[in-house]
Amino acid sequence: EAQVTQNPRYLITVTGKKLTVTCSQNMNHEYMSWYRQDPGLGLRQIYYSMNVEVTDKGDVPEGYKVSRKEKRNFPLILESPSPNQTSLYFCASRSPNTEAFFGQGTRLTVV
Amino acid sequence: DAKTTQPTSMDCAEGRAANLPCNHSTISGNEYVYWYRQIHSQGPQYIIHGLKNNETNEMASLIITEDRKSSTLILPHATLRDTAVYYCIVSVLGGTSYGKLTFGQGTILTVHP
Repeated sequence: EAQVTQNPRYLITVTGKKLTVTCSQNMNHEYMSWYRQDPGLGLRQIYYSMNVEVTDKGDVPEGYKVSRKEKRNFPLILESPSPNQTSLYFCASRSPNTEAFFGQGTRLTVV
Repeated sequence: DAKTTQPTSMDCAEGRAANLPCNHSTISGNEYVYWYRQIHSQGPQYIIHGLKNNETNEMASLIITEDRKSSTLILPHATLRDTAVYYCIVSVLGGTSYGKLTFGQGTILTVHP
């Protein structure tokens, strides 16, 4: 089954404690991206990757890092999380001629 | 900025057709119209897309006006499980910018018994 898998689904952490949210897709898609969703602000792109070792900033990249060492994986790294990064996060993947597939989301709370 | 305009909310009776409009007056010739929906706080789910011809799949129909400046998503027999936020998005296929989807606020569709 074609899918994008994120882990964890829920996470509560403290300010400053580094964390990683993993994302994996099984469709051999070139393009992967991370979005965050906040009330009243909708879905906003954080970072994206056109292919292995190619990443770039989206609309709201501050406070986040990503890496793309393998085609199937695109982890989101928060080196020093802050409360304003409390949000619902989605990973997505796509190929040039397909629709986008989204993961089920990671609800992050930073206290 | 989102390139589409949608009503904030709509209601529909169960079993009736739900017609969700979308304006995309600045759409480019190589941009497709995509529809996604988000049920509760799940990941957005693809519904349908089209370039200029009307499209139909097992989930919905998409009607695009001849000038391509607007479209309508039709759920022919809405059920309670169709209650969701529906997003109309314009996006290219291929090229270097195909990946990013710019989401607006979408339309909250409520299907009631």
